[in-house]
Amino acid sequence: AQKVTQAQTEISVVEKEDVTLDCVYETRDTTYYLFWYKQPPSGELVFLIRRNSFDEQNEISGRYSWNFQKSTSSFNFTITASQVVDSAVYFCALSGYTGGFKTIFGAGTRLFVKA
Amino acid sequence: DAGVTQSPTHLIKTRGQQVTLRCSPKSGHDTVSWYQQALGQGPQFIFQYYEEEERQRGNFPDRFSGHQFPNYSSELNVNALLLGDSALYLCASSLPAGGNEQFFGPGTRLTVL
Repeated sequence: AQKVTQAQTEISVVEKEDVTLDCVYETRDTTYYLFWYKQPPSGELVFLIRRNSFDEQNEISGRYSWNFQKSTSSFNFTITASQVVDSAVYFCALSGYTGGFKTIFGAGTRLFVKA
Repeated sequence: DAGVTQSPTHLIKTRGQQVTLRCSPKSGHDTVSWYQQALGQGPQFIFQYYEEEERQRGNFPDRFSGHQFPNYSSELNVNALLLGDSALYLCASSLPAGGNEQFFGPGTRLTVL
């Protein structure tokens, strides 16, 4: 079975703080993809990043960075110098070969960034 | 470049009724997936359509059915509505290869009374 766990339900930080959102996944596939999506209050999910199981390189995009570690089945997301506009619900998701690449989402982490 | 559009935005129905939700994919995309998102939870995969056929299905009863048209737009039908069907229904489009990123529409908020 495939599963995504986001243990942090809610996180509250003050603007300019760094924050890391945790994601742990379970799959028996060797070929799979991991994603992060952002859901602002408007409700529309926005794609942030995709990582395939054969590429463990960390990635940085502006204030965002992602740390993928197969050894711990984790795909964590860090926001550096958070801003109020980062307030949203963030979802980690998994898409694996065995499941026909159906996308399984975690329960999400709600991030509050206070001014 | 138009993104994913969904209609209607909001819908109120009563138990036992039937509902049809509509989705137009992003230009260039031919694969449409539907998700149910209950309040405070992550999206749950309902099914995916490609080439007018249901390609994958999640753990949802047969009351949930769909259709894809030749222009790649799609419909989600739910029969015999239950109170528990109240949720945000999200449509996502993508290219057909497995593992591609999905582009989501704004969703349809369904309330069942």
